[in-house]
Amino acid sequence: DVKVTQSSRYLVKRTGEKVFLECVQDMDHENMFWYRQDPGLGLRLIYFSYDVKMKEKGDIPEGYSVSREKKERFSLILESASTNQTSMYLCASRDQGPEKLFFGSGTQLSVL
Amino acid sequence: DQQVKQNSPSLSVQEGRISILNCDYTNSMFDYFLWYKKYPAEGPTFLISISSIKDKNEDGRFTVFLNKSAKHLSLHIVPSQPGDSAVYFCAARFTGGGNKLTFGTGTQLKVEL
Repeated sequence: DVKVTQSSRYLVKRTGEKVFLECVQDMDHENMFWYRQDPGLGLRLIYFSYDVKMKEKGDIPEGYSVSREKKERFSLILESASTNQTSMYLCASRDQGPEKLFFGSGTQLSVL
Repeated sequence: DQQVKQNSPSLSVQEGRISILNCDYTNSMFDYFLWYKKYPAEGPTFLISISSIKDKNEDGRFTVFLNKSAKHLSLHIVPSQPGDSAVYFCAARFTGGGNKLTFGTGTQLKVEL
């Protein structure tokens, strides 16, 4: 079974802090994704990566950046956290062929 | 602009009956559709998918129907079980693939005893 591991289940940060969310997958998948889930808005794509050191903006990239130095690891960075970035963050990975994504358990981030 | 819409935020069904979850989309360039299920404190898991060249796909208790002319898909769960209580998201992919899916807002299904 594919395993996608997110480093933290819960995080509490202060406004203006730099925040790192880490994600590791163990199935050698090419593609990795960061989504955020908010009530009434569903899952929205922040960034994705289709190869090491490659990244593309999703639908809501503002205020975020990403890093993919190794194939198995995809990091989401909040350069200066703001209260409107309080959300559930979900990492996912996918192989080239099928469309189905494998998600991690999520990180609930609260920015105070 | 929400291109994939799930207009019912919640649905309550009795155990053993049919659950029907609906999803509408606006972009005719979507060519592949998926349903994901999410339990609290877990990530979404893939449930079932359908290509735009089909109008029905079945997997056990789960059937997805696609009506391209109406830009509508639905997920039927028969019979519904208490363990089906979860949030269900539909998702769609653009023609030509690319690497991303567009998700709906989700429907909370509650299956009551």
